[in-house]
Amino acid sequence: DVKVTQSSRYLVKRTGEKVFLECVQDMDHENMFWYRQDPGLGLRLIYFSYDVKMKEKGDIPEGYSVSREKKERFSLILESASTNQTSMYLCASRTALGRGGTEAFFGQGTRLTVV
Amino acid sequence: GENVEQHPSTLSVQEGDSAVIKCTYSDSASNYFPWYKQELGKGPQLIIDIRSNVGEKKDQRIAVTLNKTAKHFSLHITETQPEDSAVYFCAASITPNNNDMRFGAGTRLTVKP
Repeated sequence: DVKVTQSSRYLVKRTGEKVFLECVQDMDHENMFWYRQDPGLGLRLIYFSYDVKMKEKGDIPEGYSVSREKKERFSLILESASTNQTSMYLCASRTALGRGGTEAFFGQGTRLTVV
Repeated sequence: GENVEQHPSTLSVQEGDSAVIKCTYSDSASNYFPWYKQELGKGPQLIIDIRSNVGEKKDQRIAVTLNKTAKHFSLHITETQPEDSAVYFCAASITPNNNDMRFGAGTRLTVKP
């Protein structure tokens, strides 16, 4: 059974704090993604990684950074949290082309509130 | 870049009725169109997808149709059940590199018993 696990379901952080959101997948997937989900806006891509230590900006990377030191783990970092980063954050992983399948598997989400 | 629009934003149907959700996309090069279902408190899960070389795909009560000329695709759920209640997202991407996948804004479907 495929699994993408996000370390926290709910987080409350203060403005200006450095925040780490962790995601681990056990499917040996090459590609990992971080999305932000807001009502009426759907899922917006923040960053993705197609290999260890590799990263690409998505549509809304401002205020975020990422780290991928190991294949199974992809971290989203809010360098200085702000109230407009209050949102649901979703991690996903997907196997790379050539190994079959284009389905993305999502974690359960982390609801972050910045106060 | 790709822009995906999804309608309606909310949909309420009676159990047993059909539900249709529609999406349009902007990039004619897009050729992979998945649909995801998100239940309360969970991450989205793929329920069906279609590639541009086919016009329709069906899986039990769920079907997806694709009109490449008009650049729109639709999800059809027949004989709806209360457990179909969820938020549904459409997406579009250009394979093989579907790291560029873009999602619609979502449709909240409520099936009333």
